[in-house]
Amino acid sequence: DAKTTQPNSMESNEEEPVHLPCNHSTISGTDYIHWYRQLPSQGPEYVIHGLTSNVNNRMASLAIAEDRKSSTLILHRATLRDAAVYYCILRNYGGSQGNLIFGKGTKLSVKP
Amino acid sequence: GAVVSQHPSWVICKSGTSVKIECRSLDFQATTMFWYRQFPKQSLMLMATSNEGSKATYEQGVEKDKFLINHASLTLSTLTVTSAHPEDSSFYICSASYLAGGLYEQYFGPGTRLTVT
Repeated sequence: DAKTTQPNSMESNEEEPVHLPCNHSTISGTDYIHWYRQLPSQGPEYVIHGLTSNVNNRMASLAIAEDRKSSTLILHRATLRDAAVYYCILRNYGGSQGNLIFGKGTKLSVKP
Repeated sequence: GAVVSQHPSWVICKSGTSVKIECRSLDFQATTMFWYRQFPKQSLMLMATSNEGSKATYEQGVEKDKFLINHASLTLSTLTVTSAHPEDSSFYICSASYLAGGLYEQYFGPGTRLTVT
C-alpha cells in the first residue's frame, strides 16, 4: 500500500472546525482513502473513507484533491471527545482482502 | 454498526506463563481477522492475518510459535501469547473484516492490555 504523510500533531479550540491534512502523492487508481481515529487506550474507530469524490457523514467530511495526491479530514465543530490520534490510510482493494497499515497519525488536541 | 469485542480487556501475568486473548465479531461474520500490537506512544503494528479454518499469515519478525492464532469460526479468533516475557507487555488489538457493498469493511476491538511481570 502507498504511504501517507501527516503532521505529528495539531491543536484546535473547542467548537471550532478542524482540518487534518494528509499527503499521499504515490496513491494508485484503486487506492481508497480511509480515516480512522484512536482515543486513548481504545481500539481504532472508523471515521470515513472515499475514492475520488468528497464524502460526508455524521462524524466528519472528507475532501479529496482533484489529483488525489492529498486529502483533508474536516471536523466541523471539534469537541473535547474528538481529542485522539487520527490515521489516514490508503487501502488497495484490487480484488483482494487487503488490510489496514497504520502510520504514525496526527495527534489532535482540543482546548476548551 | 458492526461490533467487535475482546476479552479480557486487561490481564496481568507472570513471566513464563501463557495468556489467551479472545476476539469476537458480535453482529457479523468476519471473513478475516487481524491481530495488531501497539507499544506506548507508537502506532499499531500488524502481527498476523487469519481466515476461518486456515493457518494465520504472520508478518515478518513475528514469531508464530510464540503468538498462536486460532480462528475456529467466522465470529471467533484467539491469540495466545506463550511463555510470556516482560517485553511482550503491550496493547493487543484485534480487527474483523467482512465484505459489504463490494468493499471489505474492517472494525476494531477495544484492545487488551497485557502486562507481564
